[in-house]
Amino acid sequence: SAVISQKPSRDICQRGTSLTIQCQVDSQVTMMFWYRQQPGQSLTLIATANQGSEATYESGFVIDKFPISRPNLTFSTLTVSNMSPEDSSIYLCSVEGGRIEAFFGQGTRLTVV
Amino acid sequence: AQKITQTQPGMFVQEKEAVTLDCTYDTSDQSYGLFWYKQPSSGEMIFLIYQGSYDEQNATEGRYSLNFQKARKSANLVISASQLGDSAMYFCAMRAGTGGFKTIFGAGTRLFVKA
Repeated sequence: SAVISQKPSRDICQRGTSLTIQCQVDSQVTMMFWYRQQPGQSLTLIATANQGSEATYESGFVIDKFPISRPNLTFSTLTVSNMSPEDSSIYLCSVEGGRIEAFFGQGTRLTVV
Repeated sequence: AQKITQTQPGMFVQEKEAVTLDCTYDTSDQSYGLFWYKQPSSGEMIFLIYQGSYDEQNATEGRYSLNFQKARKSANLVISASQLGDSAMYFCAMRAGTGGFKTIFGAGTRLFVKA
């Protein structure tokens, strides 16, 4: 099973600032996914990140707001830009490297004040 | 379109009893995978069990079993001998080929285990 380290685990940020969340995997994986979970809601996919290409964003999410980097097969970052209180959520990364399970990082609990 | 439906926002169960969490799904794919995850208050997503669409046997993992009824497109999670630590949010999820192997999630069911 893949081990995913995600950090920070939580943060409180001022509106208008940006936060970069890191996701490190202990093995090489093809696809990495970033999800958002708003309070009391289910998980919503933000984007799929493949190494060497631009991330593919889901409807309702744009690169200017959620830029993603995928510099190699074990690492990715998600930036939440120009934050507002509506961005307060749990952000999770997951990987699927040919295994049947989707493994998740521990999540980043973001509060924007 | 692919969809996961969990119709139970909240469920209560007495400690040591069994509980069934409902999940129905919709997909036109023949090959797909169904998952259940547990999310405690800490926010992490814990993988519980997996069922492949071609698996003839219902999946089991310890106290967790998946009641897979393909014709009805249902994949209910059964937790036997509930424990207080089972109190959490539970999500049913699906991954299918036409979805680009993205995992989509149901709305979730919050389980409360009573002592």
